[in-house]
Amino acid sequence: DSGVTQTPKHLITATGQRVTLRCSPRSGDLSVYWYQQSLDQGLQFLIQYYNGEERAKGNILERFSAQQFPDLHSELNLSSLELGDSALYFCASSVGVNEKLFFGSGTQLSVL
Amino acid sequence: AQTVTQSQPEMSVQEAETVTLSCTYDTSESDYYLFWYKQPPSRQMILVIRQEAYKQQNATENRFSVNFQKAAKSFSLKISDSQLGDAAMYFCAYRRETSGSRLTFGEGTQLTVNP
Repeated sequence: DSGVTQTPKHLITATGQRVTLRCSPRSGDLSVYWYQQSLDQGLQFLIQYYNGEERAKGNILERFSAQQFPDLHSELNLSSLELGDSALYFCASSVGVNEKLFFGSGTQLSVL
Repeated sequence: AQTVTQSQPEMSVQEAETVTLSCTYDTSESDYYLFWYKQPPSRQMILVIRQEAYKQQNATENRFSVNFQKAAKSFSLKISDSQLGDAAMYFCAYRRETSGSRLTFGEGTQLTVNP
């Protein structure tokens, strides 16, 4: 167990819908990262937050947004969902910005 | 942009034998980190081993070791005495010294361990 908690584990929804994925980092970790794993694109970095502020952006679509709350948990919001958004979404956390990453077990999103 | 390439989509090994997974990367940076992650069927991403580019000595973690060739931009993973529990998808990953913990991953190599 990495100590990073992601909910839900599975999510099935329809095209055009909006979903929210939640991540609770390890106790004491200030950085949260979101990654997307799909068959087409592999594992891709989406976005990073550090202590509530956006730190870096990767290949994140405009339909996607994220935030990190004062209690350091993070949410990834995916809207106007398309079939191609079906993927495994990972959250990871680290103490700082150059430290070892600990991954959650992911949220499997299926868009039908 | 940095890229990581794993040219072996699938590999197989007999239990107790040794297998080597290949990884090459492209970067213009001199300071960076390289990683091997394991993803078993449980989907959890597990760090196997890490190498700092400034270190000439190859990293070792029990049965796992790397062959880091900086000039050739090559970073292979050797698994000795393979066990059934080693069966998983293995990802090579790169991180710039200055990019925080943001990782660039390769495509992955699916390792099968035959009893």
